[in-house]
Amino acid sequence: NAGVMQNPRHLVRRRGQEARLRCSPMKGHSHVYWYRQLPEEGLKFMVYLQKENIIDESGMPKERFSAEFPKEGPSILRIQQVVRGDSAAYFCASSPGGQAYEQYFGPGTRLTVT
Amino acid sequence: GQQLNQSPQSMFIQEGEDVSMNCTSSSIFNTWLWYKQDPGEGPVLLIALYKAGELTSNGRLTAQFGITRKDSFLNISASIPSDVGIYFCAGPSNFGNEKLTFGTGTRLTIIP
Repeated sequence: NAGVMQNPRHLVRRRGQEARLRCSPMKGHSHVYWYRQLPEEGLKFMVYLQKENIIDESGMPKERFSAEFPKEGPSILRIQQVVRGDSAAYFCASSPGGQAYEQYFGPGTRLTVT
Repeated sequence: GQQLNQSPQSMFIQEGEDVSMNCTSSSIFNTWLWYKQDPGEGPVLLIALYKAGELTSNGRLTAQFGITRKDSFLNISASIPSDVGIYFCAGPSNFGNEKLTFGTGTRLTIIP
């Protein structure tokens, strides 16, 4: 019974490159959330998706960041033209939706921009 | 926006001691979630609370949903080394949206 899977676990990019982070939700979960965590801080909401739909992207920067959750395959968080300030841990969570607010997190992707 | 403040910010205890921490909000929450995060890992859900006044246990952990719905408490009894980590409270926004607001965290350290 696999949990939420994220890859890669670690990603190093030079300034100006693109970063693609992948997330496969738990089996049976149709809701996916992305959060960002800076060192010594709590997690900050970025975007909430259901299959083929972005439900809430209020926490995501309007430029350079995008997210998708296609009908087939994992959810992707894409950061274009990365800058040093994008260095952080990015966590994906999933839930079955409805009235169940319990979200289950993956191990995260640690992005380092050099 | 909503903010969740946790106290204490950090705790240094000896193995076997009981631990208490709390989480307060300036606004009402309808659900409280408690997570534990180990270094380099994602948060792990410990306890979920859905009703004001509710007291729920998970092994040595007990959490309570405050009556005012603006606070929640987590207690750990007879702490062991694997309890070390950062504990976060979290709750969904009040507008029916499922995105979680996370607290500032309580870092638990066990002194040998």
